[in-house]
Order: sequence, then C-alpha cells, then structure tokens
Amino acid sequence: EPEVTQTPSHQVTQMGQEVILRCVPISNHLYFYWYRQILGQKVEFLVSFYNNEISEKSEIFDDQFSVERPDGSNFTLKIRSTKLEDSAMYFCASSEGTSVTDTQYFGPGTRLTVL
Amino acid sequence: RKEVEQDPGPFNVPEGATVAFNCTYSNSASQSFFWYRQDCRKEPKLLMSVYSSGNEDGRFTAQLNRASQYISLLIRDSKLSDSATYLCVVNRAGGFKTIFGAGTRLFVKA
Repeated sequence: EPEVTQTPSHQVTQMGQEVILRCVPISNHLYFYWYRQILGQKVEFLVSFYNNEISEKSEIFDDQFSVERPDGSNFTLKIRSTKLEDSAMYFCASSEGTSVTDTQYFGPGTRLTVL
Repeated sequence: RKEVEQDPGPFNVPEGATVAFNCTYSNSASQSFFWYRQDCRKEPKLLMSVYSSGNEDGRFTAQLNRASQYISLLIRDSKLSDSATYLCVVNRAGGFKTIFGAGTRLFVKA
C-alpha cells in the first residue's frame, strides 16, 4: 500500500537555526499538507499546497515558515529561525483531491526538538 | 467557541462495551467530516469518513447531523486494540483547511 514518508524521524537543532523537514507524498496525490502537534496538544493545520502554490495557511504559518515542492516527489517545510516553541511533531499529509471522499494520508512525522 | 469540540474523556471501558464519542463543529460551511484514530506518538490514521446518511464499518458507526452540527462515533464490542485517541476532523468547503478536535482518549481494559 502506498504511503507518505518523512525524513528525518527526529531532528534536534539549536534555537535560531534553519531546519528543513522533508516529505514524499503518495505519488498520484495532488494536494499536500503540513501539520504540527505540540506534545500533549491537538493536531494543528499549518498549510495546504496545490499546483505549486499555497492554497491556505493558518495563523501559525508566519514568515518564518515556507514550503516548497522542489521536484516531482519531495515536499518540504522550512523553518528559517527556529524557536523553542517550534518543538513539536510535524506531520506531512497528502490527498488525491479535496472532495468528501478524498481522505488525507499522514506520514509518520518528524519530531523536531529545538534546544 | 472552538471550531471543533469533542468530549474531554478519557473513557475507561471494559472489553465488549459499547462506547460513543460526540463532536460538534461551529462553522456551518464545513463540508467533509472524518474520524481518525491516533496511537501514542504516532500519526493520525483514518478510521472512517462521515456521511449525512450515516455509515457503518464493522463495529464502528458514524453519524452526521448537519442541522445540529454534530458528529458521532459508536464503537460496539470494544477490543483492547481500540485503545487510542479518537480525533474528530472537519474540512472547510474546498477541503484545503482541516481542523482537528482535541481528541478523546479511550482506554479499553480486560
């Protein structure tokens, strides 16, 4: 069964450093998403991406965040200058479409720890 | 008011019990609805989509009431493996923004 993959599984970084989290969505999917989940809290939507542009973003997704699809398979989330409060699990997801029958499939996540 | 609200939980039930989870959403423009389950420190996994007519998948039944902006999930004959957090998920029209509830934790004990 096709699945979403994410690398690395765990990233440790110093405050102020840039990090890039990588995702490979399911190959025939057209819509891509990033979410974060701070430990013990709910899953929060960050951004959705379609046709090489951002479709929608949340208030969390400020200027320090950016997304990119650099080639036909990868989808990346960049955090320019990490803060302590960016420590969280980051999930990538993809879906074939956005109709009621199109579900989002999640990757296993990247645990980001900012020291 | 939170956009998606769920029963706070946790629910502690014996094996074989029937348990029901409730969820309400505040945005009437919401278009699609799902239940996901999340095991500790894992990614959310789709349990089932929720349709206006209601739908059933084995021991799981989901219902949607658009007039009341209410979604439910019923689990019959609970198994130990059902222990997880159940997430109510709502997509706005167009599906680009997905809102998760805080989740309801279920513990099924032998």
